[in-house]
Amino acid sequence: DAGVIQSPRHEVTEMGQEVTLRCKPISGHNSLFWYRQTMMRGLELLIYFNNNVPIDDSGMPEDRFSAKMPNASFSTLKIQPSEPRDSAVYFCASSGGADGELFFGEGSRLTVL
Amino acid sequence: AQKITQTQPGMFVQEKEAVTLDCTYDTSDPSYGLFWYKQPSSGEMIFLIYQGSYDQQNATEGRYSLNFQKARKSANLVISASQLGDSAMYFCAMSAASHSGNTPLVFGKGTRLSVIA
Repeated sequence: DAGVIQSPRHEVTEMGQEVTLRCKPISGHNSLFWYRQTMMRGLELLIYFNNNVPIDDSGMPEDRFSAKMPNASFSTLKIQPSEPRDSAVYFCASSGGADGELFFGEGSRLTVL
Repeated sequence: AQKITQTQPGMFVQEKEAVTLDCTYDTSDPSYGLFWYKQPSSGEMIFLIYQGSYDQQNATEGRYSLNFQKARKSANLVISASQLGDSAMYFCAMSAASHSGNTPLVFGKGTRLSVIA
């Protein structure tokens, strides 16, 4: 079975550019989560969806960040305009089991110069 | 609000020995779930073990066991017979509800385990 698929795996961009990260959750999972990992702040929840509906976006740093889930098999996290402090690894995870275990993608490493 | 505390930034263990990674948590929810994840240097997050707050027995998965002490709000991970491949970052996490999906996990800062040959 395919796991959570994220793209791109690595992204290097310049300050001010738009960045779009993509995620395909595990088929049948009805919850999707976006996390950001940095050395200073650890793993932070940005936003999560249940049945394609955003439930809590209080972790989104500011208006430059937006996330969508147009259908059960696809989600995007967009940063516009990007800043150097956005450099981090962004993880997408999905869940559908009773225990609430999260299945993580391999992450997208973003570097903003 | 839920909070996870991992007080050991780094640990060393001799190969084939057992090691305990500490985790304490804080929550006002009567029902919650506790998780451990492993993150090797390659970066992926690997689920190891789960414990529900109402589970009577400590969870075990192969060489991993979770020492759950509810009154002390601790959920320590025990790795038996350490292997070189166990060297990684380990994260403790909790969810708002036990045996109920669809809620996010709150993660601790992690413990870096190094296994020495």
